[in-house]
Amino acid sequence: SAVISQKPSRDICQRGTSLTIQCQVDSQVTMMFWYRQQPGQSLTLIATANQGSEATYESGFVIDKFPISRPNLTFSTLTVSNLSPEDSSIYLCSVRALAIYEQYFGPGTRLTVT
Amino acid sequence: AQSVTQLGSHVSVSEGALVLLRCNYSSSVPPYLFWYVQYPNQGLQLLLKYTSAATLVKGINGFEAEFKKSETSFHLTKPSAHMSDAAEYFCAVSDAGTASKLTFGTGTRLQVTL
Repeated sequence: SAVISQKPSRDICQRGTSLTIQCQVDSQVTMMFWYRQQPGQSLTLIATANQGSEATYESGFVIDKFPISRPNLTFSTLTVSNLSPEDSSIYLCSVRALAIYEQYFGPGTRLTVT
Repeated sequence: AQSVTQLGSHVSVSEGALVLLRCNYSSSVPPYLFWYVQYPNQGLQLLLKYTSAATLVKGINGFEAEFKKSETSFHLTKPSAHMSDAAEYFCAVSDAGTASKLTFGTGTRLQVTL
């Protein structure tokens, strides 16, 4: 399995600002994903981070609000823009290697918006 | 669209008792199915997966699950609960052959009592 780290582990941000979350994997992976887990809720896929091209967003999530970068096969960032209290959630990245039908998750970033 | 339903948002068992967490899926084609565990303030850990091989799948920490197509179920069991099993458990489904876009159930919080 891959070892995944996320930075920051938690943050408290003010309304209207932005937070960029980093996801680093210890090996090259084919696919990287970003999920949101709202308080007391399950996980919802935000987008698939594509290396060298624009991310693929799920219904209800847009690039202006959640810009994603993936400059190489081991690193991705998710920015949550124009923060509101409703963005308070845990954001998790996950990875999947080619031909391995499993996703592994990072420890998550707990965001609180005040 | 694929979906999973987890019956029972909270399950409480005594230490040493059988653990049974229920998951039913809805899919037009045979899916891949997964169980993840989330300990407090941590990311998700893969317990086990079904990818169309053996219908009885054994995972980590003594857990296993059986894929029953006739019942569209993938229930998670453990013969004897341990205090350390207390956590949130998520069932997830994806398209067969991809394990990419995971759709999660709402989760079941397992409590283990003395």
